[in-house]
Parts: sequence; C-alpha cells; structure tokens
Amino acid sequence: AQSVAQPEDQVNVAEGNPLTVKCTYSVSGNPYLFWYVQYPNRGLQFLLKYITGDNLVKGSYGFEAEFNKSQTSFHLKKPSALVSDSALYFCAVRDILTGGGNKLTFGTGTQLKVEL
Amino acid sequence: DAGVTQSPTHLIKTRGQQVTLRCSPKSGHDTVSWYQQALGQGPQFIFQYYEEEERQRGNFPDRFSGHQFPNYSSELNVNALLLGDSALYLCASSLEWLAGRTGELFFGEGSRLTVL
Repeated sequence: AQSVAQPEDQVNVAEGNPLTVKCTYSVSGNPYLFWYVQYPNRGLQFLLKYITGDNLVKGSYGFEAEFNKSQTSFHLKKPSALVSDSALYFCAVRDILTGGGNKLTFGTGTQLKVEL
Repeated sequence: DAGVTQSPTHLIKTRGQQVTLRCSPKSGHDTVSWYQQALGQGPQFIFQYYEEEERQRGNFPDRFSGHQFPNYSSELNVNALLLGDSALYLCASSLEWLAGRTGELFFGEGSRLTVL
C-alpha cells in the first residue's frame, strides 16, 4: 500500500524568505507525486507533479518541488514566500494499478503561514 | 471552460437520513472520483467511476454508493447518515489513467455536509 507523510502540521515563514514544506512517501513501485493547495472553504488546486525525468519540478505560482528517490522525499519549495501563499498544502501519491485507475493518497496536510 | 462543479455547496441532514451529492466534471474529462475530507484531515478516496462503472473503491462502507451518467456527470449517495459522515465531499475529474497520461485530478469546490 502507498502512503504519504507530512511531518509538520504548520510551517511559519516571513514574507520574502524561502519556504519548504516537507513530504515523504512510500510506494511499492515508481512514485507519481503531486502537490495541491487548499484555501479556506475551497477545493484543492493542483500545483505541480513529478512523473519522471528531472528531479526538480516547477509548478504554478513560483513553487517547485525536489524529488529525492534515495530519501523517498518530495519537498515543496519556493525561493521567496508571499503572504498570499498562506494556505493548506497537501502532498499526494498515485496508486498505480494494472488496468488503470488514478486514485490519489493524500497526506494530512501542512498549514503554511506567511507573515509580514 | 467550466471546471468541476458540485452541488449543493452546503447542506444539513439529520442522522439516519439519506443524501445525494452531484458533480459535473471538467469539459473533456471522462473519469470522476469522490473524496471525503473530514475537518483537519486530508482527503480520503471513496470511489472512482469510469464508463458508468465503479472502477476503484476506498475503505468506505456500502452506505456510500455512486453513479455515473452517460454525460460523465456523477452522483454520490450516502444512506443512513451518521454524525461521522459530516465532512467536505470533494469531486475530482480527470482523463482515464492510461500509459503516457499523467492524469492529474481537477477538484471542485466541494459539498459541505453537516449531520446533526
């Protein structure tokens, strides 16, 4: 079975500073990894994905994520945080099944708070 | 291009009642998945529909059932509601998972169900 761990419930960072939101995963095969963001009382918005290729993936709103196979990690990063980045961030892994299916398994989420 | 739309946005039910939630997928998408997001938790996979059939199912009881229509829209039905069914129910659409497709999910805003 696949699983995702987000070890930090909350991350606080000052505006303009770099931010990192951590994620580790466990899958039996090759991981397909995703980051989503959720604003209060809203659905989830796709940020970026890793399927194959370069370990550094660039996504929406200046976010990027680094895939590290040896550490089974997929940390979300941004060089310079904005107050508007404050939201709930979810890491997710795809369960690859023979014959199809694209179920995502989500972590418990990390609340990012960016302060002036 | 309309995204994923869900209805109703909010509803209140009492224990033992039944509820139906509706979802229209993003234009061009043929696969619909349903997730339950309890307060403070990550989304949990309920089931997925493709070609009007349930393709995958998560660890949810038979009280949770669904349907997909020929136009790809979908319903989630929950019978004999329990207090613990109170959650945000998210619908996500995608293209069918096939080799070469990355198949990221596009989420609706959700239906907030409160069971009293």
